[in-house]
Amino acid sequence: DIVMTQTPLSLPVTLGQPASISCRSSQTLVHSDGNTYLSWLLQRPGQPPRLLIYKISNRFSGVPARFSGSGAGTDFTLEISRVEADDVGVYYCMQATQLPHTFGQGTKLEI
Amino acid sequence: EVRLVESGGGLVQPGGSLRLSCAASGFDFSTTWMHWVRQAPGKGLLWVSRITSDGSNIDYADSVKGRFTISRDNAKNTLYLQMNSLRAEDTAVYYCARDWYHCKDYWGQGTLVTVSS
Repeated sequence: DIVMTQTPLSLPVTLGQPASISCRSSQTLVHSDGNTYLSWLLQRPGQPPRLLIYKISNRFSGVPARFSGSGAGTDFTLEISRVEADDVGVYYCMQATQLPHTFGQGTKLEI
Repeated sequence: EVRLVESGGGLVQPGGSLRLSCAASGFDFSTTWMHWVRQAPGKGLLWVSRITSDGSNIDYADSVKGRFTISRDNAKNTLYLQMNSLRAEDTAVYYCARDWYHCKDYWGQGTLVTVSS
């Protein structure tokens, strides 16, 4: 199984300041079709996960432009340009390149 | 609007069975792959199973293989998860999620399964 490792696990931030979360996979996430199926999700307290970013850097519908994703191969990053109160929750990276699909441990972002 | 609504969770004794349902609406369910993902209390996300649009291809996590069965009824726009031989470690919120280009773009609110005597 591909192991996804996120850092940090806890991220205290100040409103209006940037934030960054790293995700590293134990194997390359480049699929045989040439795509890299690395996603980022946000789970707000008491809510189901919500897709933010897919295929490394594509923002999902309705996701604010302050969220961006980058990376390649085994190293990926989610960045928030200016944190807002609504961004509080647990962020997960997820790979869907190989079964079983696997998630990072989660990074708890708090103000 | 895409909507996924899980049901069927509850309290069950170890060794017991439960069938979860996920009612889908707002998209063409019959052409969409679907997943089950679970989350133990206070823990992270764990992929459980996936089924292709016509049910011809199915995959499971090793931890549930041989005990859980995913299925679907495209005429009823409903996804199922039959869970047998339940164990305490299966206690979790179970989410159904839509597959979209290898991502899980929409998730239901989840249904809680508690395995305890």
